[in-house]
Amino acid sequence: SQQGEEDPQALSIQEGENATMNCSYKTSINNLQWYRQNSGRGLVHLILIRSNEREKHSGRLRVTLDTSKKSSSLLITASRAADTASYFCATGGYQKVTFGIGTKLQVIP
Amino acid sequence: EPEVTQTPSHQVTQMGQEVILRCVPISNHLYFYWYRQILGQKVEFLVSFYNNEISEKSEIFDDQFSVERPDGSNFTLKIRSTKLEDSAMYFCASKETSGDTGELFFGEGSRLTVL
Repeated sequence: SQQGEEDPQALSIQEGENATMNCSYKTSINNLQWYRQNSGRGLVHLILIRSNEREKHSGRLRVTLDTSKKSSSLLITASRAADTASYFCATGGYQKVTFGIGTKLQVIP
Repeated sequence: EPEVTQTPSHQVTQMGQEVILRCVPISNHLYFYWYRQILGQKVEFLVSFYNNEISEKSEIFDDQFSVERPDGSNFTLKIRSTKLEDSAMYFCASKETSGDTGELFFGEGSRLTVL
């Protein structure tokens, strides 16, 4: 089954710095999604990148996808304390979306 | 903005008791999901539901679990006889479209504590 595995599992940076999180997956995909979870809350969709796309931007978010390496990265530029959360990559179709183990990001003010 | 709502937000139950967790998906969504997250761990897929039947289920979703859409708006997860290891956050999600694209919209979760 498809499964994303993020690294690092935890990341601590200063406000204003960039944060990069990586995700690897095992099988072929049609798209890959990134979600965010504030502590104890529901997941919120951030961005979807299709398998025929290499890079996508949304505000301060930049996602890349390398299907040859079965990997994706999420870059958050100019981080803010409010970006403190866990970030998950997700793969799968309408029947089942599988989430990775997540990266816990702490942005220190 | 439309949202997925879940009740209760927290339920405490004794081992062996039945629990029903309720979800109201976004009204025009067609695909429904339950996930669980044991404290500090990954978000695990339990089951997906479409057109009044289960689309796919994980190995976690054994005979103790069932799902139902009793009235066209609610989507419930029932655990027949709870175990200590069922303690977790349970998240409901819904999706509007078919196909592989389209985001999942999550509720805020129901925390289940089994004593």
